[in-house]
Amino acid sequence: AIRLTQSPSSFSASTGDRVTITCRASQDISHYLAWYQGKPGKAPKLLIYDASTLQSGVPPRFSGGGYGTDFTLTISRLQSEDYATYYCQQYYDYPRTFGQGTKVEIK
Amino acid sequence: EVQLIQSGAEVRKPGASVKISCKVSGYTFTDYYLHWVKQGPGRGLEWVGRVDPEDAETKYGEKFQGRVTITADTSTDTSYMELSSLTSEDTALYYCATEEYSKGGCSFWGQGTLVTVSS
Repeated sequence: AIRLTQSPSSFSASTGDRVTITCRASQDISHYLAWYQGKPGKAPKLLIYDASTLQSGVPPRFSGGGYGTDFTLTISRLQSEDYATYYCQQYYDYPRTFGQGTKVEIK
Repeated sequence: EVQLIQSGAEVRKPGASVKISCKVSGYTFTDYYLHWVKQGPGRGLEWVGRVDPEDAETKYGEKFQGRVTITADTSTDTSYMELSSLTSEDTALYYCATEEYSKGGCSFWGQGTLVTVSS
């Protein structure tokens, strides 16, 4: 199975900060990567697919990049509603796999 | 409006089985894959498996292979996930979610079904 490793596992940031989360795949997955936002008690929300395509309705402060094995999710100016856990997921091959998550906390 | 409505919470004893459902509306059931995802208490997301309602093809996660069965009933636009030989490690929220064939990622999600395994 393809392993996805996110870094960092958690960090603190202030509203207005620019934050970047990294996801590294154990093998080349081309652009077949999605990013989700998870909040307690709510279903995950798709933010980005195909590594860099913004899902409809997602604010443009979210952006994704990367190709092959190294990917990033960037929030240009962190808002209060962005404090959450973020997950990457590959859909290059089965079984589909998720990263372990990155928790963004309030500084 | 796309909606995925899941069945209610379940409590089972260790060794038992559970079958939960996900009824979809607002789109053609056979146009999207239907995935199931597990989230244990305080844990991350774990992919359980998926069904293609068009032809009933299934794929399963390695940890669940042999213990899970995912089906799709096209007469009722409902997917089912059955998990057997339950242990306390199966206590979790289980979500269903759709994926369009033409793009990746799961765009629409159910509200989640809590499965509790306890003696």
